[in-house]
Amino acid sequence: DAGVTQSPTHLIKTRGQQVTLRCSPKSGHDTVSWYQQALGQGPQFIFQYYEEEERQRGNFPDRFSGHQFPNYSSELNVNALLLGDSALYLCASSLLTGVETDTQYFGPGTRLTVL
Amino acid sequence: AQKITQTQPGMFVQEKEAVTLDCTYDTSDPSYGLFWYKQPSSGEMIFLIYQGSYDQQNATEGRYSLNFQKARKSANLVISASQLGDSAMYFCAMREGDRGQFYFGTGTSLTVIP
Repeated sequence: DAGVTQSPTHLIKTRGQQVTLRCSPKSGHDTVSWYQQALGQGPQFIFQYYEEEERQRGNFPDRFSGHQFPNYSSELNVNALLLGDSALYLCASSLLTGVETDTQYFGPGTRLTVL
Repeated sequence: AQKITQTQPGMFVQEKEAVTLDCTYDTSDPSYGLFWYKQPSSGEMIFLIYQGSYDQQNATEGRYSLNFQKARKSANLVISASQLGDSAMYFCAMREGDRGQFYFGTGTSLTVIP
């Protein structure tokens, strides 16, 4: 049973560039959430996708956008990169059942460094 | 106000001993879920245990148990018989209702001493 996978594992970009991160959910899951984890901090929610629509969004600027495909995989796009965007980006998948028990399972993350 | 507060930046425990990691939460939603995750140095967040707001009994998963005190809004993780492989960051998280967002604390770094 394949877990959540993310690519690439590491990425180095320069300020002003754009980046795309990819995520494949755990088998059987239909919902993908993205988090940003700065060094020494807990993960911060960026947004969640379900049925190819953004279901909920955290407090992140419009430079952060996403997409979910019919096969439930997802992309996170960040435009006009800033030094402060350097972080570990975590993807989490879950099965949306509409109750608080929906557990999110995380991938290994993509470590983004902006120079 | 912080949704999740973890007040122990770092903890040490002797191998084979038990350890409690503290977590308090803040919500006005009557329905919520509480989660604990382990994050080794590799970065992946590993789900450990879940407690629902309406659950009458404390959750247990192997060596992990969750000490849920609803009136005090606390959800402490207890790890029994600590092992060297337990050394990692531990994060407490909360989900309110059926909303997608998980709120995470700042984490506790646990070191198991041989």
